[in-house]
Amino acid sequence: EVKLVESGGGLVKPGGSLRLSCAASGFTFNSNSMNWVRQAPGKGLEWVSCISSSGNIYYADSVKGRFTISRDNAKNSLYLQMNSLRAEDTAVYYCARGTTQTAMVTFDYWGQGTLVTVSS
Amino acid sequence: QSVLTQPPSASGTPGQRVTISCSGSTSNIGSNTVNWYQQLPGTAPKLLIYLNNQRPSGVPDRFSGSKSGTSASLAISGLQSKDEADYYCAAWDDSLNGPVFGGGTKLTVL
Repeated sequence: EVKLVESGGGLVKPGGSLRLSCAASGFTFNSNSMNWVRQAPGKGLEWVSCISSSGNIYYADSVKGRFTISRDNAKNSLYLQMNSLRAEDTAVYYCARGTTQTAMVTFDYWGQGTLVTVSS
Repeated sequence: QSVLTQPPSASGTPGQRVTISCSGSTSNIGSNTVNWYQQLPGTAPKLLIYLNNQRPSGVPDRFSGSKSGTSASLAISGLQSKDEADYYCAAWDDSLNGPVFGGGTKLTVL
């Protein structure tokens, strides 16, 4: 059974940093792209970042230069380092598996999400 | 303001057929395939339709997708109370060089 479990969310002050983790199990982790998708409270979905199976990295313009995605295939884990956080980064962050090595639109498995709140 | 436009709400009675629209442009829906996601209250999104009209294993055939030009639609037939959820369309955007989502449609089963 495919499972994605996020952790690392919490309350952080504007300008602060946070590192999210996503532990994956039940599939060959290095065969799929992995993505972060966020959802602000009461709002819709917003794609944040993708790392392909080969390590190619992509970011939404809204987080470029502030967020860093990475993966550790040996640990079956995905990460999102978030720096210079802003109030508008407040959201539930989902880890989502792409259906192919490079998929950035089609996500067949999602974690339960971890809430990041940026507030003073 | 989302790149893909969906109606904020839709409703229907049990057994009815409802459709949810998703309007885009030549840089997204007009030149790329469309996915649909279902988000039940308090849960993570779930892939419902991919490649415009394909259903993942386990998704009932009551759900169907279609695309024409720069618009796409999700149809739900034999509406059930458990279909009450938010529905999102998504597509790649060639101009933005990234994936875009619709703003979501909240489906209420009356």
